[in-house]
Amino acid sequence: SAVISQKPSRDICQRGTSLTIQCQVDSQVTMMFWYRQQPGQSLTLIATANQGSEATYESGFVIDKFPISRPNLTFSTLTVSNMSPEDSSIYLCSVGAATGELFFGEGSRLTVL
Amino acid sequence: AQTVTQSQPEMSVQEAETVTLSCTYDTSESDYYLFWYKQPPSRQMILVIRQEAYKQQNATENRFSVNFQKAAKSFSLKISDSQLGDAAMYFCAYRGKYNFNKFYFGSGTKLNVKP
Repeated sequence: SAVISQKPSRDICQRGTSLTIQCQVDSQVTMMFWYRQQPGQSLTLIATANQGSEATYESGFVIDKFPISRPNLTFSTLTVSNMSPEDSSIYLCSVGAATGELFFGEGSRLTVL
Repeated sequence: AQTVTQSQPEMSVQEAETVTLSCTYDTSESDYYLFWYKQPPSRQMILVIRQEAYKQQNATENRFSVNFQKAAKSFSLKISDSQLGDAAMYFCAYRGKYNFNKFYFGSGTKLNVKP
């Protein structure tokens, strides 16, 4: 299993500002995934972060709004830009296991006022 | 596209009793994985159990077991001897065997455990 650390755990942000979420994994992984979980909802994949190349975004998510960095095989960041109240969600970092499942970080709960 | 359906938004069970959470899925793939995840109020998603589609035997992990019906595309989770710590959101998830980044999650079932 992989241990995934996310920072911040939670934050309250003002409308129009940006916040960067960090994700650190205790082992080298090829792909890291960023999910969004809106209040009371299921998980939606934002993008796949690959080391050495640009992230691959899912439909409905764009790089200008959710820029992602992947400087090495154990670390990634997700920035939520120009935030609005609709961005209030839990953002989850995850990595895939060789046995097929995903491991998740503890999540970052963002509240935008 | 694959879809995962959890028809029970919320369920309750008495402590020490057994409860079954339902999940159905739709896919045209023949080889895939199915998962149940637990998300307690602390919000970290934890893998409860996994099933590979080519394995006919139902997966079991201690008090957790599944009833996998491939033809019916059904994947239910049975929790035996329910404990207070089992209270959480439970998500059913699907992944095609060769699609490493495509997980499909159900809408979740909130499980309440009554003392």
